[in-house]
Amino acid sequence: DAKTTQPNSMESNEEEPVHLPCNHSTISGTDYIHWYRQLPSQGPEYVIHGLTSNVNNRMASLAIAEDRKSSTLILHRATLRDAAVYYCILRGAGNMLTFGGGTRLMVKP
Amino acid sequence: KAGVTQTPRYLIKTRGQQVTLSCSPISGHRSVSWYQQTPGQGLQFLFEYFSETQRNKGNFPGRFSGRQFSNSRSEMNVSTLELGDSALYLCASSLQGSGEQFFGPGTRLTVL
Repeated sequence: DAKTTQPNSMESNEEEPVHLPCNHSTISGTDYIHWYRQLPSQGPEYVIHGLTSNVNNRMASLAIAEDRKSSTLILHRATLRDAAVYYCILRGAGNMLTFGGGTRLMVKP
Repeated sequence: KAGVTQTPRYLIKTRGQQVTLSCSPISGHRSVSWYQQTPGQGLQFLFEYFSETQRNKGNFPGRFSGRQFSNSRSEMNVSTLELGDSALYLCASSLQGSGEQFFGPGTRLTVL
């Protein structure tokens, strides 16, 4: 399975943008890039996904490199409620998600 | 719309016993996936069911099994429990091809 590499942790100040990087150099042409986050004591929550083009939704933006070997999740204004573990995942056929270690985002007031 | 529900939320068993966990997906969702989360291994995919058929399977021993019913509800069973099976078991449901999976709150299993 194609794997992703993320920093173990990142810090951000409240109300500032956050850029969470992800490397996936072995991505195949049909793999979708998914981002989920997990708040303490909760199940993972879908954030965003994309294939080739940049994507925006109400929660975040996803910027995908032209060669698709890396991507960046952008939270435009971090809030304390955004403190969570963020997972960058490659999804192939079906709905099987292969989670890595994720990035623990800490948001300072 | 009700979210994914899992029962029970907490469970304590002893080694050698078996356990059955239940998951009710969001209404209309036909795909149900199961994951195991432990501090050491993180989140690992167990299996996925779609329209009562297992579609994908992760790298877990045969003691872990599952099934899906015609109403899309799913159960997973673990036989001959081991201490290492202590984990949070998460269920996720999705529409076919939507890409977005909705996770339940999980069942916390403790094996003594």
